[in-house]
Amino acid sequence: EIVMTQSPATLSVSPGERATLSCRASQTVGSNLAWYQQRPGQAPRLLIYGASTRATGIAARFSGSGSGTEFTLTISSLQSEDFAIYYCQQYNNWPPLTFGGGTKVEIK
Amino acid sequence: ELQLVESGGGLVQPGGSLRLSCAASGFTFTTYTMAWVRQAPGKGLEWVSSISKDATITEYTDSVKGRFTISRDDSKNTVFLQMSGLRAEDTAIYYCTKKLPRTSPFDNWGQGTLVAVSS
Repeated sequence: EIVMTQSPATLSVSPGERATLSCRASQTVGSNLAWYQQRPGQAPRLLIYGASTRATGIAARFSGSGSGTEFTLTISSLQSEDFAIYYCQQYNNWPPLTFGGGTKVEIK
Repeated sequence: ELQLVESGGGLVQPGGSLRLSCAASGFTFTTYTMAWVRQAPGKGLEWVSSISKDATITEYTDSVKGRFTISRDDSKNTVFLQMSGLRAEDTAIYYCTKKLPRTSPFDNWGQGTLVAVSS
């Protein structure tokens, strides 16, 4: 099983600032890495797939990078609606499909 | 408009059974692998089970093998999760989601249905 580890667990950021979230895989997943956003009380939403491709309708302030075992999600200028929990997920080698534990982005 | 609408959740006693349904619309159902992902209260996301587009391949996380069964009815664009031998640790919101076969992410999610296992 590929274990996904996200850091930090919580990130405190002021609106308008940049946020950088990390995700590490226990073994290589190539570029088969997705990021999801989950707002309070809502279902997850696909943000990024293929490590760096924005899903349909996702704002350009969201960007993904990395390959192999190290990945980053960057939100260039945080808006109020971006305060949420973000999960990474590998889909390179499954079952099982595995998620990271999440990073909560909160208002500083 | 693409929709995934879950139903069938509720309160059940330990050892009991429930059948979740997910009605899909707005896309070609038979093109997609369908899956269930759950989220325990205050916890992260956990993949539970998937069924291939032609229903020939079903897969489960270890903790539900032998207790849960995934199936699909392409004539009704619906995927099911039959859950038996329920345990307290199965308490979660269960989300229906879809993906293209093999190496692809979950591209759309339903709003979820809550399963609570308690005496």
